[in-house]
Amino acid sequence: DQQVKQNSPSLSVQEGRISILNCDYTNSMFDYFLWYKKYPAEGPTFLISISSIKDKNEDGRFTVFLNKSAKHLSLHIVPSQPGDSAVYFCAASVDTGNQFYFGTGTSLTVIP
Amino acid sequence: DTAVSQTPKYLVTQMGNDKSIKCEQNLGHDTMYWYKQDSKKFLKIMFSYNNKELIINETVPNRFSPKSPDKAHLNLHINSLELGDSAVYFCASSLGQGSYEQYFGPGTRLTVT
Repeated sequence: DQQVKQNSPSLSVQEGRISILNCDYTNSMFDYFLWYKKYPAEGPTFLISISSIKDKNEDGRFTVFLNKSAKHLSLHIVPSQPGDSAVYFCAASVDTGNQFYFGTGTSLTVIP
Repeated sequence: DTAVSQTPKYLVTQMGNDKSIKCEQNLGHDTMYWYKQDSKKFLKIMFSYNNKELIINETVPNRFSPKSPDKAHLNLHINSLELGDSAVYFCASSLGQGSYEQYFGPGTRLTVT
């Protein structure tokens, strides 16, 4: 019963262009969403988050958009850099903040 | 000065054995977690402890027993290992309940043969 889905296992983007990573969820009770970035042989690291009271949150080159009616969120990276090449996980939580449900990740490759 | 550390990084063992994975965080966080990432890359929570108290215990076989001697440590002991236990196990910590950002360790790749 996968409540958070990332349907694109991989994505390739040219350096300098925009990367868009997508995430869908099924549980309408989710109200906090996060993106994590993971390099090989390392644990995931927190990237950016958004709560359900917002539809956009921006941090430098990273912007997360939330569409609650569509139960969809996306992460935009612009401009993309080779160092952004990693696996990106989205995660969602109900307001207790303790139990997170993760997607299966999207592997981003930024081509120099 | 690693924030969340796990030992060992790799663990290869035979079916039926008992093994432990250790986790330590030096962030002063109150809450710690164990996650399992299976072959399909699905990262799923197993346990969560807050100040040494178990607060999340997902549907995990009782062969898996977490132990938290203090709030900086959360160890995972697995009895009677099975082939399906092969996965990467991640430890994580967060400031406390209601704190959303989790800091992950590097993972322990367990292979059961």
